[in-house]
Amino acid sequence: NAGVTQTPKFQVLKTGQSMTLQCAQDMNHEYMSWYRQDPGMGLRLIHYSVGAGITDQGEVPNGYNVSRSTTEDFPLRLLSAAPSQTSVYFCASYGQDNYGYTFGSGTRLTVV
Amino acid sequence: AQTVTQSQPEMSVQEAETVTLSCTYDTSESDYYLFWYKQPPSRQMILVIRQEAYKQQNATENRFSVNFQKAAKSFSLKISDSQLGDAAMYFCAYRSRGTYKYIFGTGTRLKVLA
Repeated sequence: NAGVTQTPKFQVLKTGQSMTLQCAQDMNHEYMSWYRQDPGMGLRLIHYSVGAGITDQGEVPNGYNVSRSTTEDFPLRLLSAAPSQTSVYFCASYGQDNYGYTFGSGTRLTVV
Repeated sequence: AQTVTQSQPEMSVQEAETVTLSCTYDTSESDYYLFWYKQPPSRQMILVIRQEAYKQQNATENRFSVNFQKAAKSFSLKISDSQLGDAAMYFCAYRSRGTYKYIFGTGTRLKVLA
């Protein structure tokens, strides 16, 4: 099925570990983004990309890196995990033909 | 900078009744979009309804409708004939035309009572 695929769905990390959250979309959408969702704070933009090779910072970029080597993939890297990065992470994409964001199913990340 | 405010952290409604969720926003722009997203316990974010600021007519999708008051910068969601499956977190979101960045409110948790 067409859409946004996020992996993994759940992850537990130890403080200081690094990992990559994967995101792929098959709708040929130009725009992709990563949000984190925390209780009482809604969704906050971490990084976004308007096309392959182009990325930029959102509201809360510290501690995260992204790259966009292809239109389809937009991985999010945690460089050195901290407990403050415990959150639910959503990848989303948007194209010219889209009515609104298409979201992935989310990744629940716990840093201990 | 634009902001989106949802002042009701939690709401309850009886099954088959009507409930209205509030959202206000602040922007200096005149051309933008507003959205309501539903997040059930499955965590999936589902687009419920969208409103374009230049359209005066309020958007409607089946049992879901909005009351868009541009001058008051208000964008409320009305759910008619509430069903148990409507229980979820609801997020209001704003996007300026010409950008793809969304600004989300903090959400309202809706409980539907049988």
